[in-house]
Order: sequence, then structure tokens, then C-alpha cells
Amino acid sequence: DAGITQSPRHKVTETGTPVTLRCHQTENHRYMYWYRQDPGHGLRLIHYSYGVKDTDKGEVSDGYSVSRSKTEDFLLTLESATSSQTSVYFCAIRAGGSGQPQHFGDGTRLSIL
Amino acid sequence: ELKVEQNPLFLSMQEGKNYTIYCNYSTTSDRLYWYRQDPGKSLESLFVLLSNGAVKQEGRLMASLDTKARLSTLHITAAVHDLSATYFCAVIQGAQKLVFGQGTRLTINP
Repeated sequence: DAGITQSPRHKVTETGTPVTLRCHQTENHRYMYWYRQDPGHGLRLIHYSYGVKDTDKGEVSDGYSVSRSKTEDFLLTLESATSSQTSVYFCAIRAGGSGQPQHFGDGTRLSIL
Repeated sequence: ELKVEQNPLFLSMQEGKNYTIYCNYSTTSDRLYWYRQDPGKSLESLFVLLSNGAVKQEGRLMASLDTKARLSTLHITAAVHDLSATYFCAVIQGAQKLVFGQGTRLTINP
């Protein structure tokens, strides 16, 4: 258990509404990541953070923003949700040095109607 | 742009048989990871391969890395039903970005 909590676990919302997903970690790891998982695509990196207020874009960052005001929380925001953002979203942390694996949360299933 | 391709994408096999999943990637990298995912669940780290020729084994699973060929393999020996899952390889791009393969859905039949 890497001490990662994602909330909510499930959400259904309508196109055009803002949505914020939260990732909370209990072990003060520096690196945190947001991925989306879609059939046939594996996982794709949206954004990541390497410290408080330090973030960078991943492979599929368009339409998403992130914030990290505290070490333990990494927020993913969809400013105006679209149906193409229906997906399962995973948060991950990296514990330790650059060779260590990322550990994943339980995921948030987001449906946008 | 780094691309990671796995094959096969779907694999159905019988208990007791051996098989190999292949992971090819398109640009130089010296770090490769294997993960397992059960349906509706999170990803579990299986192996971290950090250098050319690295080989790691855990139970009936063995992973290897050939950085010159840009190829990793995940070998399953004498498969059992409990190994049914989706397996992902992932390769580091730069210092932080993991690029995943599409996943291999493995079904092991009694």
C-alpha cells in the first residue's frame, strides 16, 4: 500500500461542467503523476509534479490543468468536461530514486454525458 | 517520440504451458517496468529493469531487457489460472515520463 487515496472513485457529470479529481498521499513523496487509461491505449501521462507548485505536461495534457499547493495533494481539473475525457484516471507516486517504479492509486472512473 | 508496442495484445493459454510477451520500444531508454492489472483494479509493479541484460524473476514470471534491440520479454512458465491479468510494459522517456504499451490481456484456462 503506497498510501495513495483518490477521490471521488466514481463520478458522472455533464458536458461543459468543471470537474476536479483529487490525489492524496500520506508519505511526502516528491513526484506525483496523473494518467488516463482508455481501451487500446494503455495508460497515458496527463501531467506530473516534481514538488509543490512545480508541474509539467505529459503526453495528453490538452483540456486538463493541475495544481499542487501541498506536498500531499495533487489535483487534476477538467475546466469544461467533454465526452472524450470519459476515462479511468489514475494517480501515481514515485517513492525513492529515479530507478524506482511508480505506484498507483485505485483510480477514478469518470463518465461525461 | 517514444512508442512502446506489446505483442500479443490478447493471449489465451492453457494451464501448464509456457509463453512470452514481447515489448518493443522505439528510442533509447535504460529503464523499463512491467506492471500487472486485474480487471477493475489498480496497477501492481512487477519488475524494474535498469540495464542491458537485466533479468528478474518472481515465481513463474521472468523479465529480461535487451537495450540494444530495444526489447523486453516477460516469460511465463507453467502458467496457472492466478496469472490471468493484463500486463503492461512501460519505458522511461527523459527523467520522469513513463510511456506505456497497450497492454497484453492474458487468460489462462484450466
